[in-house]
Amino acid sequence: AQKITQTQPGMFVQEKEAVTLDCTYDTSDPSYGLFWYKQPSSGEMIFLIYQGSYDQQNATEGRYSLNFQKARKSANLVISASQLGDSAMYFCAMREVQFTGNQFYFGTGTSLTVIP
Amino acid sequence: DAGVTQSPTHLIKTRGQQVTLRCSPKSGHDTVSWYQQALGQGPQFIFQYYEEEERQRGNFPDRFSGHQFPNYSSELNVNALLLGDSALYLCASRRTSGANVLTFGAGSRLTVL
Repeated sequence: AQKITQTQPGMFVQEKEAVTLDCTYDTSDPSYGLFWYKQPSSGEMIFLIYQGSYDQQNATEGRYSLNFQKARKSANLVISASQLGDSAMYFCAMREVQFTGNQFYFGTGTSLTVIP
Repeated sequence: DAGVTQSPTHLIKTRGQQVTLRCSPKSGHDTVSWYQQALGQGPQFIFQYYEEEERQRGNFPDRFSGHQFPNYSSELNVNALLLGDSALYLCASRRTSGANVLTFGAGSRLTVL
């Protein structure tokens, strides 16, 4: 089974609107971390936001928030007030602290295009 | 504050050749991981180095090997290149005792002809 599933290959959003990128995960490790990274065409993976499995509140970082629904095993990224510079690939990732320690599992990504 | 730097940025090799990719971690980071990202896919974990030793390895054959130096920089070596080794190779670093977050470099794009 896939550890991370991103079902939206491509998304479009109007500038200044909000957009939600979906991510579901699969683990039985009680201790894990969930991450979102942005990858522009330059190739560098840029860290956006982190959510720990024991965190009670949803993580927020500026215009980014993570909608963490533990029972549903989902960790959707919400980008508010989209900007043209948000156009990029977005990857959801997970680290299983106890089971696999140092390895990060990535999804296949969602390509976001912001329309002026 | 320099982030993770990788070299070379692009390279072309032929089947059967060997390649060495290099990575300097972010200042203050002591753990280096390597990931392979094929076109249209997410990164896949190759291995991680800490204290100059390979600590964990993903599902990659022995043709993939690495090294970490005392200054924490790292090399990824791939022998007997196959067409399927064509990919973006990403180096990531973090502080072992610190936050979970990986800091990535811009990658080395390898094309095997």
